[in-house]
Amino acid sequence: DVKVTQSSRYLVKRTGEKVFLECVQDMDHENMFWYRQDPGLGLRLIYFSYDVKMKEKGDIPEGYSVSREKKERFSLILESASTNQTSMYLCASKATAVDTQYFGPGTRLTVL
Amino acid sequence: SQQGEEDPQALSIQEGENATMNCSYKTSINNLQWYRQNSGRGLVHLILIRSNEREKHSGRLRVTLDTSKKSSSLLITASRAADTASYFCAPKSSGDKLTFGTGTRLAVRP
Repeated sequence: DVKVTQSSRYLVKRTGEKVFLECVQDMDHENMFWYRQDPGLGLRLIYFSYDVKMKEKGDIPEGYSVSREKKERFSLILESASTNQTSMYLCASKATAVDTQYFGPGTRLTVL
Repeated sequence: SQQGEEDPQALSIQEGENATMNCSYKTSINNLQWYRQNSGRGLVHLILIRSNEREKHSGRLRVTLDTSKKSSSLLITASRAADTASYFCAPKSSGDKLTFGTGTRLAVRP
């Protein structure tokens, strides 16, 4: 079975802190995605990556950056956390040849 | 990518009843997927139906697709309390991105 893991289930940070959210997949998938999920807004794509060192902006990239140094790991970085970045963050991966995405359990981030 | 819109937003049924939720989208698609999300967790892929298919089954799940109406429905038969979750559709055109709507929240009462 595909396994996508996220470094933390719950995270509390202070405004202005630099925050790293890590995602690791074990199925050698080329594509990885970061979403945030907010009540009433559904899932929104922040960034995605087709391959190592490649990244593409999603629908709401402002305030975020990403890093993909290794194929199995995709990191989401909040350079200076703000309270409006309090949200559930979901990572997903998929193989290029198929359309099914596999999701991690999510990280609920609270920025105080 | 395009967004699917699920309807209804919320649904409450008794255990053993069937649950039907709908998805509408705007432009032509290659396929449409349905995902489930248990409270506070990640999404789990349920089923994918291709644009040239009209109906697909997987266990207690039945998905239909009407490309002329740009709509899909997900039927869960003989529902169980464990089916309580949010359900999302993801219509897919070209590329690798999926766009998810706000989902249908299903509550199955024991």
